[in-house]
Amino acid sequence: DVKVTQSSRYLVKRTGEKVFLECVQDMDHENMFWYRQDPGLGLRLIYFSYDVKMKEKGDIPEGYSVSREKKERFSLILESASTNQTSMYLCASSLPRSYLDEKLFFGSGTQLSVL
Amino acid sequence: GIQVEQSPPDLILQEGANSTLRCNFSDSVNNLQWFHQNPWGQLINLFYIPSGTKQNGRLSATTVATERYSLLYISSSQTTDSGVYFCAVEYQGAQKLVFGQGTRLTINP
Repeated sequence: DVKVTQSSRYLVKRTGEKVFLECVQDMDHENMFWYRQDPGLGLRLIYFSYDVKMKEKGDIPEGYSVSREKKERFSLILESASTNQTSMYLCASSLPRSYLDEKLFFGSGTQLSVL
Repeated sequence: GIQVEQSPPDLILQEGANSTLRCNFSDSVNNLQWFHQNPWGQLINLFYIPSGTKQNGRLSATTVATERYSLLYISSSQTTDSGVYFCAVEYQGAQKLVFGQGTRLTINP
């Protein structure tokens, strides 16, 4: 089974701190994604990546950046955390479209609180 | 962008009942997936089903792409089926899945 591992289940940070959320997948997937989930707003895509050192903006990239130096690892960076970035952050991975089975697999999530 | 509507928003059933969850979408899609988010927040992929019908145990799904809807069937519900069910679609030309707002299913013993 695919395993997507997020480094922390719960995280508490202060306003203005630089925050790193780490995600590792073990199935050699090319595609990796970062979502945030908020009550009433559903899941929204922040950034995604289809290859090493490649990144694309999703629907809500403001205030975030990403890094993908290795195929298995995709990091989400909050340059200067703000209270409106308090949320559940979900990492996901999948095979590319050419495999005709683009099932998306999620990590268990990181609940980030910014105080 | 594409609109994804799930119905009903909430569903409460007794253990052993059957249920049908619906996902309507506003444009042609080349990717449609169903997920279950358990009460602990973990999202599990149930089906990758851009068209046709698939079955996995008590769960089955059907997508009628020409009519722009998909159905998820749960038979003989168990309390462990409780949680939120999401439909997500990728429309042609896009590179990302768009999620519906979900159906919250509660199965009472």
